[in-house]
Amino acid sequence: QKEVEQDPGPLSVPEGAIVSLNCTYSNSAFQYFMWYRQYSRKGPELLMYTYSSGNKEDGRFTAQVDKSSKYISLFIRDSQPSDSATYLCAMKRSGGSNYKLTFGKGTLLTVNP
Amino acid sequence: DGGITQSPKYLFRKEGQNVTLSCEQNLNHDAMYWYRQDPGQGLRLIYYSQIVNDFQKGDIAEGYSVSREKKESFPLTVTSAQKNPTAFYLCAVQGGGQPQHFGDGTRLSIL
Repeated sequence: QKEVEQDPGPLSVPEGAIVSLNCTYSNSAFQYFMWYRQYSRKGPELLMYTYSSGNKEDGRFTAQVDKSSKYISLFIRDSQPSDSATYLCAMKRSGGSNYKLTFGKGTLLTVNP
Repeated sequence: DGGITQSPKYLFRKEGQNVTLSCEQNLNHDAMYWYRQDPGQGLRLIYYSQIVNDFQKGDIAEGYSVSREKKESFPLTVTSAQKNPTAFYLCAVQGGGQPQHFGDGTRLSIL
C-alpha cells in the first residue's frame, strides 16, 4: 500500500460547482497536511496548511483532516475556470525527520465556463 | 514564487553529458530541496540540505549530485549516470516553521 493515495482524475466540473478533492494515507505518524495547486509548467503553490485533525477555511477553500480515518479533503466552493490546475496533497511527520514531505500523485481539475 | 529562482526554464542534455540546474533564493531560509516530477507521478525527493556545507540523499539520489556552498544557492547536477533524466525538476525552500515553497521548475529533455 502506498503511503499516500490520491485519485488522479481527471475531474471536470461546471463553473460554480463545489469541488471535493481527497487523499488517503496509511502512516499514522503524519501530523502536518498541505494542499498545493500546480498550474501547467509551473511549480506547486501552497494553498492550505493544517496541523492534525479539524477544518481550516480560507476564502473559497476549506481543508479537512480526519486522522481517525486517515483521510484529508480540500473543498472548493463556487469554482472558477482559474481553479483549473493539478492539486497535490502532501503530508509530513513531526519530530526528528520532519523535513520530508510525502506527496500524492495529484488530481487534475478542469472547471468549464 | 518571487523569492526562488530556478534557471534555465528548459534544458537539453546530450548523451554522456553532465548538466547543472540552478536554484537561488533570497528568502534567507536554511533548508533547500530538489524534487523530480514525472507525468502522473508525485514529487520525489532527490537531495536536501538543511544547512550550508551539508546535504543528504533523498529517495532517488543515484545519478545526481549537489553542493551547498552558500545559503542562497543549491545547484543540482544531473550526471551521465542518470539514465532517465527527462523530467520536471523542482527546487523548494523552507524556513521559519513554514511549509516548503517551490520555484517554477526546470524542464530537462534529452537530445
